Amino acid sequence: DQQVKQNSPSLSVQEGRISILNCDYTNSMFDYFLWYKKYPAEGPTFLISISSIKDKNEDGRFTVFLNKSAKHLSLHIVPSQPGDSAVYFCASGSEKLVFGKGTKLTVNP
Amino acid sequence: DAGVTQSPTHLIKTRGQHVTLRCSPISGHKSVSWYQQVLGQGPQFIFQYYEKEERGRGNFPDRFSARQFPNYSSELNVNALLLGDSALYLCASSWTGKWQDTQYFGPGTRLTVL
Repeated sequence: DQQVKQNSPSLSVQEGRISILNCDYTNSMFDYFLWYKKYPAEGPTFLISISSIKDKNEDGRFTVFLNKSAKHLSLHIVPSQPGDSAVYFCASGSEKLVFGKGTKLTVNP
Repeated sequence: DAGVTQSPTHLIKTRGQHVTLRCSPISGHKSVSWYQQVLGQGPQFIFQYYEKEERGRGNFPDRFSARQFPNYSSELNVNALLLGDSALYLCASSWTGKWQDTQYFGPGTRLTVL
């Protein structure tokens, strides 16, 4: 039973445009959400997080939006750069971290 | 500062064998967690240790065990290997034992079971 779902396995965007990565969760107890980025042959690295008391959190080019009623969050990257090409994981949990399957983002020059 | 280190980087074993994977956390971090990532999936939680005690265990069989040493390094042991144990094993460290705490991942150990 997947508690954190990333339904798009891949996404391709042009450099300079916006990338939007989506994530849905099923457990209404989840109240803290994180995004990790993973390059090949490296471990995931923390990108940005959001608490359920907020609906938006920004860090430079990265913004995460949370819609609690829809149990949905999204990561926006503006503008997208070729170096952003990686696999992005959405994660949350109640006692342990639960990851989605990831979305592979490709930013084309 | 050195990040999380894991050894070995790659490992090939045959079914039924035993394997030990090692992890050194970032200096000062007292919590170590282990994850299994199979191809096409996200990391799946196996164990968390904090101050040398098990804090959490994921849905894995008893063939999987782990421990944390006084210097906070950790070992993951898997007995009676199955083909399905082939995966990338990730270690992550953090300051506290709280799951919300930012976790810093090592590069992983790629285990192949033949």
